[in-house]
Amino acid sequence: AQKVTQAQTEISVVEKEDVTLDCVYETRDTTYYLFWYKQPPSGELVFLIRRNSFDEQNEISGRYSWNFQKSTSSFNFTITASQVVDSAVYFCALSERIGGFKTIFGAGTRLFVKA
Amino acid sequence: DTGVSQDPRHKITKRGQNVTFRCDPISEHNRLYWYRQTLGQGPEFLTYFQNEAQLEKSRLLSDRFSAERPKGSFSTLEIQRTEQGDSAMYLCASSSLSDPTDTQYFGPGTRLTVL
Repeated sequence: AQKVTQAQTEISVVEKEDVTLDCVYETRDTTYYLFWYKQPPSGELVFLIRRNSFDEQNEISGRYSWNFQKSTSSFNFTITASQVVDSAVYFCALSERIGGFKTIFGAGTRLFVKA
Repeated sequence: DTGVSQDPRHKITKRGQNVTFRCDPISEHNRLYWYRQTLGQGPEFLTYFQNEAQLEKSRLLSDRFSAERPKGSFSTLEIQRTEQGDSAMYLCASSSLSDPTDTQYFGPGTRLTVL
């Protein structure tokens, strides 16, 4: 079954600290896509990053980086040198090719960055 | 590119009333999705259109819910005989058929409160 688990409900850090958000997924498909979205207090979900199941190369984009490991079905997301504006709820999401284009979201991790 | 827009942003109604929400996707995006998000949870898939065809519906979408996308552009989501349990944020997203990752871009949502 398709499932996304974000075990961390809330994380609180002080500005300039690095923070890693965990995501574990379950899928029966060999072709799938993983995403991270940010939902600030305004409510709109903002796309951040994506990764397909065939590409385990980890990357850095500005202050964002991600660690995709198929062996452990994890897709963790790191914010380096956190800022107050990073305070938001972050969602990990999984989209399989099987069963159409339904995307499943985790329950989210609320990040508080204190000045 | 003006992004996904939704109208209204907020709706308060009494139990038993009908409500209709509108979503305008990013222009030229063929796929359009509706999600429901309750407090402290991630978005839950409701239904999905490819052009004007409704290709998938969640079991969450009871017979009181109906969605249309008559001309393959904007979409409407109607809830008949609203119940207090329908109170939630209703999110719309769109994506392009030419994007193999099916990255979805979200609108600001319509927050429904049923009294």
